[in-house]
Formats: sequence, C-alpha cells, structure tokens
Amino acid sequence: DIQMTQSPSAMSASVGDRVTITCRASQGISNYLAWFQQKPGKVPKRLIYAASSLQSGVPSRFSGSGSGTEFTLTISSLQPEDFAAYYCLQHYTYPLTFGGGTKVEIK
Amino acid sequence: EVQLVESGGGLVQPGGSLRLSCAASGFIFSSYWMSWVRQAPGKGLEWVANIKKDGSEKYFVDSVKGRFTISRDNVKNSLYLQMNSLRAEDTAVYYCAKGPVQGDYFDWFDPWGQGTLVTVSS
Repeated sequence: DIQMTQSPSAMSASVGDRVTITCRASQGISNYLAWFQQKPGKVPKRLIYAASSLQSGVPSRFSGSGSGTEFTLTISSLQPEDFAAYYCLQHYTYPLTFGGGTKVEIK
Repeated sequence: EVQLVESGGGLVQPGGSLRLSCAASGFIFSSYWMSWVRQAPGKGLEWVANIKKDGSEKYFVDSVKGRFTISRDNVKNSLYLQMNSLRAEDTAVYYCAKGPVQGDYFDWFDPWGQGTLVTVSS
C-alpha cells in the first residue's frame, strides 16, 4: 500500500500568513493526487486535483504543486474561512489512501 | 446541481449488519464511478470502496474485504453499501462520493454527500 505522510499534523497561523502543507508518498504516484478541505462538522470539499489543478470555484490563494513523491498545498494569504483540516489523497493505485490530515488553527 | 444523499445509518450491535444507500441526482449516474469514504469520530478520512459505472469492477480497503459489498442500481440512481459482521472499529460517518467518468483519471471524490453515521456498539 502507498503511505501518504502529511506534515505538519497541526499548525497555528495568523490571518494573512502564507501556509504550506506537505504530503509525501511512499512511492511515486505521478500527479494522481488531490487535496481536500474539511471544516468542523462539514463535508470534505475538493480544492485541488491532478496535483496542481484548481477546482472550479476555489479561491486562487490555494495552489498545489509537486509530482512523484512530494506534493505541497499552499495558501498564499490565510483567510478566516480557511481554518480547517486539510487532507491529501493518492488515487494512483488501490487501495486509495489519504494523508493523516493537517489541522490549521488560529494563532 | 449534483446531489448525493446518504441514508441507512444507525446503531447496530457488533456482528450485525446494515445497508447504506446513497441517492444521486443532477448527473448521469450510470456514467460515473462511485465511492464510499468513512471518517471515524475525531479521526481522518479513509477510503472504503469503489464501483465502476456498470458494476463490473469493485475495489475495497483490506479492512472491509469479505464483510462489505458495494453495489449500484443505475435505474434508481442509487449506490449501496452492505455491511456485515460489523465491528466497533467500523463506527464512522460514511460518505458517498462521485468519481470520474471512464477515461478521466483525476475526477475523484467530488462532490460528497452529507454522510450517515454508523455506530457499532453493544
């Protein structure tokens, strides 16, 4: 199975900060990676697909990059509504696997 | 607008069974892969199962193989998850999620339903 190691698992940041979350795959997955945001008590929402393609309707402050084994999700200027948990997902091979999640909290 | 509405969750004793349903609308259901994903209380996301548009291919996470079955009814636009031999560790919110059309490799898990809670406890 492909392990997805996400870091950090939690972080505190301020409004306006640049935030970077990393996801490392235990083997190469090309660009078969997506990023999801989940606010407390809400349903997960896809932000990024194919590692770097922005989902329609998602603000441009979100961006994704990477290929192979290392991927990043960047929020260029953190907004109050961005405080949430973020998950990466590899869909290169079965079983599909999520990263452990990153909880972004208010500093 | 794509809508996915799960139902069928509830409290069940260890060893029991439950059948979840997901009613789909707003897209051509019979053209898309579909998935179940779960989230234990306070924990992260875990993929559970996928089914191809015509039901000819099915995939499961190891922890549910032999106990869970995924199926679909393309006439009723519905997805199902039959869960047998339930364990305490199956306690979670279960979400259905829309997958890609055949030939699209990237359109996984968008959108998700609101989820249905399954609690396995005596």
